Amino acid sequence: ETGVTQTPRHLVMGMTNKKSLKCEQHLGHNAMYWYKQSAKKPLELMFVYNFKEQTENNSVPSRFSPECPNSSHLFLHLHTLQPEDSALYLCASSQDRQGALDTQYFGPGTRLTVL
Amino acid sequence: AQTVTQSQPEMSVQEAETVTLSCTYDTSESDYYLFWYKQPPSRQMILVIRQEAYKQQNATENRFSVNFQKAAKSFSLKISDSQLGDAAMYFCAHGSSNTGKLIFGQGTTLQVKP
Repeated sequence: ETGVTQTPRHLVMGMTNKKSLKCEQHLGHNAMYWYKQSAKKPLELMFVYNFKEQTENNSVPSRFSPECPNSSHLFLHLHTLQPEDSALYLCASSQDRQGALDTQYFGPGTRLTVL
Repeated sequence: AQTVTQSQPEMSVQEAETVTLSCTYDTSESDYYLFWYKQPPSRQMILVIRQEAYKQQNATENRFSVNFQKAAKSFSLKISDSQLGDAAMYFCAHGSSNTGKLIFGQGTTLQVKP
């Protein structure tokens, strides 16, 4: 079992659809992250959760709604997305919220295409 | 605000040769961490090497080493004896002890030629 898993790996959705991305970490970490990776742009931090509590919302539009039911699982609920939201969405985890100082472990990502 | 710049969108190296990837950053902090992450075509990003700003000694991990120049705010990655498996996108990142955020550069795609 790899450390951080993400499902689905690929997702195509229309602008009126509602879908969810799932992330699971098997490392016993306490902090989890959502990043957006677009072509030709640096990774953008979206959300940070530490011990199931959201500690960072990096000015993300409300059409992205995160959920963290426990320290091992993280969801990203999507609704009424725009074509410019098409990107690779990466989940990561670290031992604690100081992920800027500690190693972050990444999942393989979900390639999202919004039509 | 912290920024990270990787000025080389693409680099190539001959197998077994050495290549250096450049990274510069801007920060007003004195205590921070710097990272190089590797993202192979399979997309799973992994840590290559990590440097603590208060340590003057350059970090090394087997064939990977960094040249950390704190005054110049430069953090380059040297890959020695390049292997085909080193082909990937490499991201430089700055970790802020103040904000707790990891800021990434735009990435450098490394091609390794057999």
